[in-house]
Amino acid sequence: SQQGEEDPQALSIQEGENATMNCSYKTSINNLQWYRQNSGRGLVHLILIRSNEREKHSGRLRVTLDTSKKSSSLLITASRAADTASYFCATARGGNQFYFGTGTSLTVIP
Amino acid sequence: NAGVTQTPKFQVLKTGQSMTLQCAQDMNHEYMSWYRQDPGMGLRLIHYSVGAGITDQGEVPNGYNVSRSTTEDFPLRLLSAAPSQTSVYFCASSILAGAYNEQFFGPGTRLTVL
Repeated sequence: SQQGEEDPQALSIQEGENATMNCSYKTSINNLQWYRQNSGRGLVHLILIRSNEREKHSGRLRVTLDTSKKSSSLLITASRAADTASYFCATARGGNQFYFGTGTSLTVIP
Repeated sequence: NAGVTQTPKFQVLKTGQSMTLQCAQDMNHEYMSWYRQDPGMGLRLIHYSVGAGITDQGEVPNGYNVSRSTTEDFPLRLLSAAPSQTSVYFCASSILAGAYNEQFFGPGTRLTVL
């Protein structure tokens, strides 16, 4: 069974708009990570937020974590066409096993 | 550094055939793992290794074997391929075992089993 579920499954926005995607998970976690996957490529790590953190920023990315609701959100501000990709959340349960969600497919229209 | 490399990029097998997917990393990473990615399913962990000589099962290990004789290499073996193993396979590594480390992914191997 999968640990994370992203919402929405697909998102289409105009360049310059903000994109928000959400991740819900089922059990307690050590941390939550977000990854990006461009079409036909491997995943690339974006940001990690620890279970005792509520918000984290990296450039145009803002991640929040609500452990009481078992959910996280990824906000991409001022989106660009190059942000078109699929975005996955990943949670670590225990030490060495990672669980990925089903992903949000983001399309940024120039 | 080449990072994480995978070969082949594409492979077509017939049911019952065996093959090995190769994965190598040149970053001296301790942790390596294999995932499969299916449409609508996200990535699922097949096997992982926390160091040379140490491997363990992930979420979907059946039909796959792994070994880790060196730090650099982590091959995935399909013993008797089945159509249900048609998928895209990704190898990943991180500097240390444990939950707080980012994973670096290879480009993937697209496998079709007829």
